[in-house]
Amino acid sequence: QQQVKQSPQSLIVQKGGISIINCAYENTAFDYFPWYQQFPGKGPALLIAIRPDVSEKKEGRFTISFNKSAKQFSLHIMDSQPGDSATYFCAASSYGGSQGNLIFGKGTKLSVKP
Amino acid sequence: SQTIHQWPATLVQPVGSPLSLECTVEGTSNPNLYWYRQAAGRGLQLLFYSVGIGQISSEVPQNLSASRPQDRQFILSSKKLLLSDSGFYLCAWSVQGPQETQYFGPGTRLLVL
Repeated sequence: QQQVKQSPQSLIVQKGGISIINCAYENTAFDYFPWYQQFPGKGPALLIAIRPDVSEKKEGRFTISFNKSAKQFSLHIMDSQPGDSATYFCAASSYGGSQGNLIFGKGTKLSVKP
Repeated sequence: SQTIHQWPATLVQPVGSPLSLECTVEGTSNPNLYWYRQAAGRGLQLLFYSVGIGQISSEVPQNLSASRPQDRQFILSSKKLLLSDSGFYLCAWSVQGPQETQYFGPGTRLLVL
């Protein structure tokens, strides 16, 4: 019940296309959902995050869509660029959980072809 | 601004040797601190977290231990490394409290031969 399932494992998108990464969870106590971006050999960096009081959050080309009833959330990257090529991790935590410990998905390796 | 440091950046160690990885945070006080391991092509596995000096919680029982001798210093250790300890070790910090963003360090790549 603590798992966050992320798909696909890898994704290849043409430059200018839309990249979509999906995550699903079971623990209804989760109420904070961040996405992290990791470049090879670097630590992950927070990209965007959402709380369940909204169904969508947009920051530039990056959008999180959240479906509370389906217990799913997704990251959309519009106008994907080669510089977006990285591994993306979704995560979840619950207020009152062990000091806000994040449960991470297994990651999606995105390659944007020029 | 806050900065998180990890060293060494890369480490090659023989099986059975000891390990000490260090993480320090600057620009904040009383942070939560975390150690993660990332195996090649896999997700992030939380190993330890700490909410204060000397307070360590272990998430996964294994060949590793952690210590927090100072407020902004977090150390990952092993007495005898195993081949399976190879991986990318990441330290992270967050402000105290739940649902706070975790900020990751640059990581240490450990290869056990």
